[in-house]
Amino acid sequence: NAGVMQNPRHLVRRRGQEARLRCSPMKGHSHVYWYRQLPEEGLKFMVYLQKENIIDESGMPKERFSAEFPKEGPSILRIQQVVRGDSAAYFCASSPRGGGVGTEAFFGQGTRLTVV
Amino acid sequence: GESVGLHLPTLSVQEGDNSIINCAYSNSASDYFIWYKQESGKGPQFIIDIRSNMDKRQGQRVTVLLNKTVKHLSLQIAATQPGDSAVYFCAENHRDKLVFGAGTILRVKS
Repeated sequence: NAGVMQNPRHLVRRRGQEARLRCSPMKGHSHVYWYRQLPEEGLKFMVYLQKENIIDESGMPKERFSAEFPKEGPSILRIQQVVRGDSAAYFCASSPRGGGVGTEAFFGQGTRLTVV
Repeated sequence: GESVGLHLPTLSVQEGDNSIINCAYSNSASDYFIWYKQESGKGPQFIIDIRSNMDKRQGQRVTVLLNKTVKHLSLQIAATQPGDSAVYFCAENHRDKLVFGAGTILRVKS
């Protein structure tokens, strides 16, 4: 049973380009959470999705950022017109059900985005 | 606002000694807390959790203590090993999402 798969592991984008980060949850998991981590800081919640639904996007910047979790395929975090301040590690976690994240939630290895 | 913070950003311990990592949380409504370990270049790894109706929970070499009166959480690691070197985060489950603290770097000296 593969764990949470994120790709790419490293992504370099020039300012103004688009970044697409992918997260494939563990088999049987239908809940996905995205977090952002700046160097030497904790993880900041961005968005919580179920299949085809956004449950909580209170941590998402109002502009340029969007997320989806289609019926088929991975969850996608999309950042349009990237700026240097978007450089960070982006982690996703998945769990089999909602109602909280805990022992049943597993994190991926993250995507490290560098904007040059 | 909601926040979870840590008292000590860096902790250095001698191999074989016990480690204690502390955490203060601010949301008294949180009912579930988790400690994660994050090694360089990797995602957070679950260590141990505790619900608010408990004040202590033990795992293998790790113990989590919860003091709801002062909103304080601690992680105790017994007989610390070099492989324990990592960043440790406490997190509280609030409204179906985890709120993380800034982290404590644990360095184990051989």
